Amino acid sequence: EVQLVQSGAEVKEPGESLKISCEGSGYDFTSYWIGWVRHMPGKGLEWMGTIYPGDSDTRYSPSFEGQVIISADKSTNTAYLQWRSLKASDTALYYCARRADSFEFFHYWGQGTLVTVSS
Amino acid sequence: DIQMTQSPSTLSASVGDRVTITCRASRYISTWLAWYQQKPGKAPKLLIYKASSLETGVPSRFSGSGSGTEFTLIISSLQPDDFATYYCQQYNSNPLTFGGGTKVEIK
Repeated sequence: EVQLVQSGAEVKEPGESLKISCEGSGYDFTSYWIGWVRHMPGKGLEWMGTIYPGDSDTRYSPSFEGQVIISADKSTNTAYLQWRSLKASDTALYYCARRADSFEFFHYWGQGTLVTVSS
Repeated sequence: DIQMTQSPSTLSASVGDRVTITCRASRYISTWLAWYQQKPGKAPKLLIYKASSLETGVPSRFSGSGSGTEFTLIISSLQPDDFATYYCQQYNSNPLTFGGGTKVEIK
């Protein structure tokens, strides 16, 4: 069974750094792109970027390039989303999702990680 | 970027109703469109891909149609489990973009 399990909720202050994770199981982690999607309170879904764990090829949405870092560790079947300096506007629910084989829609989703940034 | 516009943003309906949700793309996207269902506190769930292909395990009361710039999601007979928010997503080109969502509420 394909599963994506994300790390737990985080509460941070503005300016702090953060790295959240998404562990895949039940499939060949290196062979499927993993995407990150932001869901801000009361808003729609936003694609942030996607990584291919096999070779760490990464594509970013222009809206998020330079704002976050997406990485993956194929030795632990884990993808990461990282901020160097959080802002209050980063408060949101973040999902990882496994892309379909050859197309950029998402078959499987993690349970989401709530990130709250507040002073 | 390709903008995806869904309508309506909220829809009130009763069990058994036929429900239609529309998604319009700002540019031609062929049939590179997916639909997701999201319930409060849960991750989105894939319903339909390539505009009209039903994901495995999704009830047949869900159907999708359209191509180019106009797409629809139809629920033929609304069930209690279907009250949720629905999103379309284009995957014709990066950046991938989602519609603003349609919340289906109990009338």
